[in-house]
Amino acid sequence: GAVVSQHPSRVICKSGTSVKIECRSLDFQATTMFWYRQFPKQSLMLMATSNEGSKATYEQGVEKDKFLINHASLTLSTLTVTSAHPEDSSFYICSAHPLGQTYEQYFGPGTRLTVT
Amino acid sequence: AQKVTQAQTEISVVEKEDVTLDCVYETRDTTYYLFWYKQPPSGELVFLIRRNSFDEQNEISGRYSWNFQKSTSSFNFTITASQVVDSAVYFCALSEFPNSGNTPLVFGKGTRLSVIA
Repeated sequence: GAVVSQHPSRVICKSGTSVKIECRSLDFQATTMFWYRQFPKQSLMLMATSNEGSKATYEQGVEKDKFLINHASLTLSTLTVTSAHPEDSSFYICSAHPLGQTYEQYFGPGTRLTVT
Repeated sequence: AQKVTQAQTEISVVEKEDVTLDCVYETRDTTYYLFWYKQPPSGELVFLIRRNSFDEQNEISGRYSWNFQKSTSSFNFTITASQVVDSAVYFCALSEFPNSGNTPLVFGKGTRLSVIA
C-alpha cells in the first residue's frame, strides 16, 4: 500500500527557533499534499494545501509567513514553523494524493511539536 | 460550507458491548465522500472506510459496520462486541467530489471511545 512518512516524528525546540517538518510519499508521486494541525484533544484542522511547483494555499487565519510550505518535488513537501512559540505546539499531519487519482489520499504518521 | 458533527464527545463501554458512533454531515454538494478514521494514542490516523454519496449500501467488515443514510445525512459507525484494542478517538470526515485537483477532508471533532475490560 501507499506509504507517507513524516520526519521528525517528535521535536522539541526553544521559543524563537525554526523547525522544519518533512512529508514524503515513499512509493508514489503526489502533486497535492495537505497539512493539518491538531491541538490536544481537538480535531484536525486544515492549514494549507501544497501543490508541487506552485505556491501553497493557506486557510483563513493561518499565517503564511509563519508556516512556510515548500513542495519542491512530487514526493516531498516541507512545513517550516518559523520563530516558533509555545502556542505552536501541536500535532502536525500531512496527507498526500497520488498523481492521477482523485479521491485516494494517504496520511503521514504525524509530527508532534513541542515549543518550550 | 461543509460540516461534520460528532455529537458524542466521549463514550465508555464494557468489553463485548456493541457501540454506535454517530456522524451527521452537511454539504451543498450532491457528490461527496465520507470517511471514518481511527486515531489510537500514537496519533497516527488509521483509515477505516470511504463511502461515496452514490452508494448508500451499508457495509460490514468484521466487527465493524457502517450505516449510511442520505435522507438524514448520517453515516454512523457500529462496533460489535467491542474490545479493549478498540479504545481510540474516531473521526468522521467529509470531502467534496473533486472536479479538478484534490480536495481536503473536513473532520468532525471526534469521539473518544474507551472500552473497559
